[in-house]
Amino acid sequence: AQSVTQLDSQVPVFEEAPVELRCNYSSSVSVYLFWYVQYPNQGLQLLLKYLSGSTLVESINGFEAEFNKSQTSFHLRKPSVHISDTAEYFCAVGNQGAQKLVFGQGTRLTINP
Amino acid sequence: NAGVTQTPKFRVLKTGQSMTLLCAQDMNHEYMYWYRQDPGMGLRLIHYSVGEGTTAKGEVPDGYNVSRLKKQNFLLGLESAAPSQTSVYFCASRKSGWDLAKNIQYFGAGTRLSVL
Repeated sequence: AQSVTQLDSQVPVFEEAPVELRCNYSSSVSVYLFWYVQYPNQGLQLLLKYLSGSTLVESINGFEAEFNKSQTSFHLRKPSVHISDTAEYFCAVGNQGAQKLVFGQGTRLTINP
Repeated sequence: NAGVTQTPKFRVLKTGQSMTLLCAQDMNHEYMYWYRQDPGMGLRLIHYSVGEGTTAKGEVPDGYNVSRLKKQNFLLGLESAAPSQTSVYFCASRKSGWDLAKNIQYFGAGTRLSVL
């Protein structure tokens, strides 16, 4: 069975500061990994995904995540956050042939001016 | 582009009442999902469907029923609502196929349900 652990339920940071949201997973098979973002009062949107190949993946709004197989992690980072990044972020794991994803508990990112 | 539409957006029920949540998608997706979101619990899968006329249980199916009579619609029913079912409910859909990574899930905006 697969599982995902997001180690921080809330992360407060100041605007323009760097941030890292942590995600660890467990799986007995090769995985695909995803980060979804949920802005206030909205549904989830895909932020980025790891399929295979390069372990570093990037989103269009400056976030990046690195797949680390040895540490079974897929941490999300941004070098300088903006107020508009305030949201809840969910890490998810799946594998080829799976019918469903397994989501983590979510991390609420709060940006202070 | 409507995508995934959920109705209603908000609802307040009394314990024991019944209701149906509707999810509609216009992307011709085969797979549809119902999740509930609770503080500190993340998203938990209630039921899902891999095609018209099929349904399957997820992680937390008790107290809920679903139906997929039409490909574009996935209904979630609460026969006798309980306070423990107070939550935000999300519907999602995606294409079928082995390549899960290419067939990403698209989510609706959610239904906020309170059971008093």
